[in-house]
Amino acid sequence: ETGVTQTPRHLVMGMTNKKSLKCEQHLGHNAMYWYKQSAKKPLELMFVYNFKEQTENNSVPSRFSPECPNSSHLFLHLHTLQPEDSALYLCASSHVTQGTNYGYTFGSGTRLTVV
Amino acid sequence: AQSVTQLDSQVPVFEEAPVELRCNYSSSVSVYLFWYVQYPNQGLQLLLKYLSGSTLVKGINGFEAEFNKSQTSFHLRKPSVHICDTAEYFCAVLPNAGKSTFGDGTTLTVKP
Repeated sequence: ETGVTQTPRHLVMGMTNKKSLKCEQHLGHNAMYWYKQSAKKPLELMFVYNFKEQTENNSVPSRFSPECPNSSHLFLHLHTLQPEDSALYLCASSHVTQGTNYGYTFGSGTRLTVV
Repeated sequence: AQSVTQLDSQVPVFEEAPVELRCNYSSSVSVYLFWYVQYPNQGLQLLLKYLSGSTLVKGINGFEAEFNKSQTSFHLRKPSVHICDTAEYFCAVLPNAGKSTFGDGTTLTVKP
């Protein structure tokens, strides 16, 4: 257990479904991230939240919608996904102070399969 | 902007042999350096990090890495590997006020 908890661990959804991924951290970190990890591809940063404010959206399709209600929780809402969206979705958190980021703590990921 | 190059995509090695996983980086600003390990169907787990101070950094599971500023490298080493070290290893750099850049990963396979 790293201190960053992701649920569910596995998710199978149809292309017309709506589902949400949840990430929770109790490390006192003030920044949270969503990454996508596909087979044979490098890690892709999707979204960044600093102090609950979204500071980065790396050209992610609108079928992925993040939500950060507070600095401990991060959601990724999914709707009308495509089979190529099947991947491991990783949440991470970090502590940022005076512009310095001290490194990420990752969750175990949600393995998403779109059928 | 910064970049990370992991020079070997696959490293096969026999059990109890030493191993070195190579990582070079480029950055126009000072950076922090990290190595992560990912076991199958798991997230990334921090092995070790260099923030400042001694250039030889010791991490978990017997791994260590050496920061070489002149060669812009941060190679990961272990003197004697075990079967359970089989995993994917990622090098990452983090500039002082930016976001991490990860390498493409190196698959370490330890054979009996």
